[in-house]
Amino acid sequence: KAGVTQTPRYLIKTRGQQVTLSCSPISGHRSVSWYQQTPGQGLQFLFEYFSETQRNKGNFPGRFSGRQFSNSRSEMNVSTLELGDSALYLCASSLEGLADSYNEQFFGPGTRLTVL
Amino acid sequence: GNSVTQMEGPVTLSEEAFLTINCTYTATGYPSLFWYVQYPGEGLQLLLKATKADDKGSNKGFEATYRKETTSFHLEKGSVQVSDSAVYFCALSLRSFQKLVFGTGTRLLVSP
Repeated sequence: KAGVTQTPRYLIKTRGQQVTLSCSPISGHRSVSWYQQTPGQGLQFLFEYFSETQRNKGNFPGRFSGRQFSNSRSEMNVSTLELGDSALYLCASSLEGLADSYNEQFFGPGTRLTVL
Repeated sequence: GNSVTQMEGPVTLSEEAFLTINCTYTATGYPSLFWYVQYPGEGLQLLLKATKADDKGSNKGFEATYRKETTSFHLEKGSVQVSDSAVYFCALSLRSFQKLVFGTGTRLLVSP
């Protein structure tokens, strides 16, 4: 079974631009979560989607948004990029994502975004 | 709030040495606890987990025991290998859907 795939793997943008990152979960997985990893802030939760609905959101500004499609693939968008948005963006998928239970999350390799 | 505190790295060991990476947590409620490992240029891999107090998670020679009384989940391995060199993250989940709260990570360097 193929793992979580993220595209592109590397991206270079300039301040003020916007960017869209894509995540394809493991086949059959319906929950997709996004995390930002930076040297200064570590790993921080961005949001989680299940059945095309955002169920949980971290403490990030509105410039960060996401969506999930009917095939469970997910995209995240960052508008008006800032230098501080340079990070590794990780996507994780899990089987059911039921509330009040834990389902193992499988992480993709990440997209390395550099903002110049 | 909910948080995880890990020991600062890097931890530098010789091959076959004993490893301990400390992890303590603060949480409202009863979290599940995890150790993830990140190899260079890769995403995170779940190393082991424990879902309730006194559970012991184990995998690939690594172990960690969920200690509710000390709010800890220390990672141990009896004999490390060069291939264990990576960054290790302690994390918790309060089953708030799929949100994980991570520690800052501890880099482990194992020399031959």
